Amino acid sequence: RKEVEQDPGPFNVPEGATVAFNCTYSNSASQSFFWYRQDCRKEPKLLMSVYSSGNEDGRFTAQLNRASQYISLLIRDSKLSDSATYLCVVIDRSGTYKYIFGTGTRLKVLA
Amino acid sequence: ETGVTQSPTHLIKTRGQQVTLRCSSQSGHNTVSWYQQALGQGPQFIFQYYREEENGRGNFPPRFSGLQFPNYSSELNVNALELDDSALYLCASSLAGLDEQFFGPGTRLTVL
Repeated sequence: RKEVEQDPGPFNVPEGATVAFNCTYSNSASQSFFWYRQDCRKEPKLLMSVYSSGNEDGRFTAQLNRASQYISLLIRDSKLSDSATYLCVVIDRSGTYKYIFGTGTRLKVLA
Repeated sequence: ETGVTQSPTHLIKTRGQQVTLRCSSQSGHNTVSWYQQALGQGPQFIFQYYREEENGRGNFPPRFSGLQFPNYSSELNVNALELDDSALYLCASSLAGLDEQFFGPGTRLTVL
């Protein structure tokens, strides 16, 4: 089983739609989580951190469910510019603080 | 922009050759991590350097090696290149003990 799993998609949604992605992780001791956005052939860029209490930034909301070991990302009122791959990141703090990435979920917002 | 730079941006090599990729970290950051991202996959952790010492390694063979210099810039070396080494190689700089890493634009390596 992979340490971090995501549905690769693609998710094709119309402009203005609400879309949600989930990401599951296997290490219950995991402490920190991020969502990154990656545009085609570019580097990943931090979208938002994920806190136990939830985190909202404009149209984006991230949630953490420790009991079920998953994090989620909700995008409201989708824009064409939201088309990208969304990477879930779990941080392994056992010495290196290395990032463990999911495979990413592709989102395409259609006009 | 993150302030992390990588060179070269693109590289084409043939099987069996050796390659060196370079990364300049963000000012003040003392830790550099390297990741390999194959097409359609998420980035995979190769190794991390902290104060010129390797500080953790992922599931990559010894032909992947690295260096960190006193100014915290870093190199990734890959010997005996294989076709499967074709990927985007990302470096990320950070401050030890903090969660957030800042990614460079990557080097796209193609092995023919």
